[in-house]
This record gives sequence, structure tokens and C-alpha cells, in this order.
Amino acid sequence: AQKITQTQPGMFVQEKEAVTLDCTYDTSDPSYGLFWYKQPSSGEMIFLIYQGSYDQQNATEGRYSLNFQKARKSANLVISASQLGDSAMYFCAMRDNTDKLIFGTGTRLQVFP
Amino acid sequence: GAGVSQSPRYKVAKRGQDVALRCDPISGHVSLFWYQQALGQGPEFLTYFQNEAQLDKSGLPSDRFFAERPEGSVSTLKIQRTQQEDSAVYLCASSFSFRGNQPQHFGDGTRLSIL
Repeated sequence: AQKITQTQPGMFVQEKEAVTLDCTYDTSDPSYGLFWYKQPSSGEMIFLIYQGSYDQQNATEGRYSLNFQKARKSANLVISASQLGDSAMYFCAMRDNTDKLIFGTGTRLQVFP
Repeated sequence: GAGVSQSPRYKVAKRGQDVALRCDPISGHVSLFWYQQALGQGPEFLTYFQNEAQLDKSGLPSDRFFAERPEGSVSTLKIQRTQQEDSAVYLCASSFSFRGNQPQHFGDGTRLSIL
């Protein structure tokens, strides 16, 4: 069965520092996509970054980068130069072979001054 | 706006009432998804449309849940004879096409509370 695991219920980081949010996945499908979403307290889900299973390079989008280690089945999100506005829930998700997203339980990130 | 629009934003209903939740996807988006998010959890898949065709409804928790997208645009999620366990945030998402690197874009959700 396909599954996403996020083992960090909560993380703290000081402003301007980098932080890594962990995500591991399980699938037997050779073709899949991995996504990270941010959910602030207001509730909307904001797409951050995508990594395809066949992509040779790690994805980057501004301050966000994805540390993709296919053999270990991990897709960790790295946020550089954290800002107070980065405080939110972060969800890792996998697109399965039926196109729906399977989400992890999320990590609550808190950025302090 | 240009994003996914959901209404109502909040809905309170008494147990046993029927409710209808609306989703207006981004114009031109072929795929539409409904998810249910319980408090403190990640969203869980309910159902998926490609245009007007409902291709997957495996996540609907019971036959009290029904979704439609008759013209391939706006979708409605209906819950009949609501129960307290139906209380959750219902998220709608759309994407330009299926597969590939197209992300799903989410609406703000409808927070449903069953008393």
C-alpha cells in the first residue's frame, strides 16, 4: 500500500536559519510524484514544490528545495533563511497511479525571532 | 479571483440534516478532487472527476456521501443524514490535467460542524 510518513509532529527554527522537514514514502509504482504543501492557520493549502520519480535533479523553488533520495524513499523539504511567515503546517504528499494525493500527517513548523 | 472557490466557508448543521458543499475550480482545469481533513490530520481523498466523469469514488466513507460535476466545471459534494463524525474540513482541488507534474490547487475549504 502507498504511504507517506512524516515523523516530526513539530519543529522549531530561528528566523534566518535553515530547517529540514522529513518525509519518507512507500510505493511499488515506478512512476510517482511527490509534493509539498504549506497550510497556514487560515486553512488554505499552498503548493510549494514538486519532484517527479524520474527527475535527475533535486527540485528547487526559491527558498524551498527538495532533498530527493530515491533509494531511501525520502523526499525531505529544506527551507532556507526561514521567515516568521513560514510558521505553518507542512504536508508531504504523493500522487499515486490513480492521480489522487496521499498525504502524511504533517509537521507543524514554528519560526521564532 | 483566479483560484479554486469553495462555499460556504463554514457550515453548521444538526445531526440528520442534509448538506451541500460547492466547489468552483480554476477555469479550464480538467481534474477535480474532493478531500476530507479531520482536525490535526492530513487530507484524505474522497473522490475524483475528470471533466464530468467521476473516475474514482473509493474514498467516500458511506453511501450518504454523493458528489457530482454535471457540466465538467462546478462540483457539489452532498452529505445526507449527517452524523457527528462527518465534522471536518472539506477541501476541493483542481488541476489542469491528470498526471505529470501538474500540482493540485486547493480552495480554502468548507469547515463543516455537525451538532
